[in-house]
Amino acid sequence: KAGVTQTPRYLIKTRGQQVTLSCSPISGHRSVSWYQQTPGQGLQFLFEYFSETQRNKGNFPGRFSGRQFSNSRSEMNVSTLELGDSALYLCASSLAGRNSGNTIYFGEGSWLTVV
Amino acid sequence: GQQVMQIPQYQHVQEGEDFTTYCNSSTTLSNIQWYKQRPGGHPVFLIQLVKSGEVKKQKRLTFQFGEAKKNSSLHITATQTTDVGTYFCAGREMNTGFQKLVFGTGTRLLVSP
Repeated sequence: KAGVTQTPRYLIKTRGQQVTLSCSPISGHRSVSWYQQTPGQGLQFLFEYFSETQRNKGNFPGRFSGRQFSNSRSEMNVSTLELGDSALYLCASSLAGRNSGNTIYFGEGSWLTVV
Repeated sequence: GQQVMQIPQYQHVQEGEDFTTYCNSSTTLSNIQWYKQRPGGHPVFLIQLVKSGEVKKQKRLTFQFGEAKKNSSLHITATQTTDVGTYFCAGREMNTGFQKLVFGTGTRLLVSP
């Protein structure tokens, strides 16, 4: 069974640009969540999607957005990039369930550098 | 909002020594999960604890969930260089609805041979 796939793995953008990151969850997983990881802030929750609906959102500005498609694949977008957006963006998938304790499986992440 | 703190932030041990990381939540958790992230890698699921006072073991690793379901610990006996990495706890609040998984601040473990 293929794991969580994230593309691109590495990218460099300049301030003011926008970026789109893609995530393909494990087959059969309907929940996709996104996290930002930086050395200073650790793993910060961005948002979670289930059946194309955002069901949870972290404390990030509106420049960060996401969506999920009918095949459970997800994208996140960051507009008007700032230097502080440089981070590892991790996507994770899990089986869905109300208040479930399902394990989440992380992809290898997309390393974004903003210059 | 919910906050999950871990201590220590960093620990450097000699191979063979024991190691413990502690996780404390500001709110009661429905369950807690532990993840390990190797340098340059992504977090990998280790275990989930659900019941109050639960203890689980995986070879040299012992995980505990507190009676009040607000704290947890991970203890490694006789560390090895392969244990190097950052250990994160992650918890969901007690709620009937969907809840985001909140990660702890992480404990970075370095093991010297």
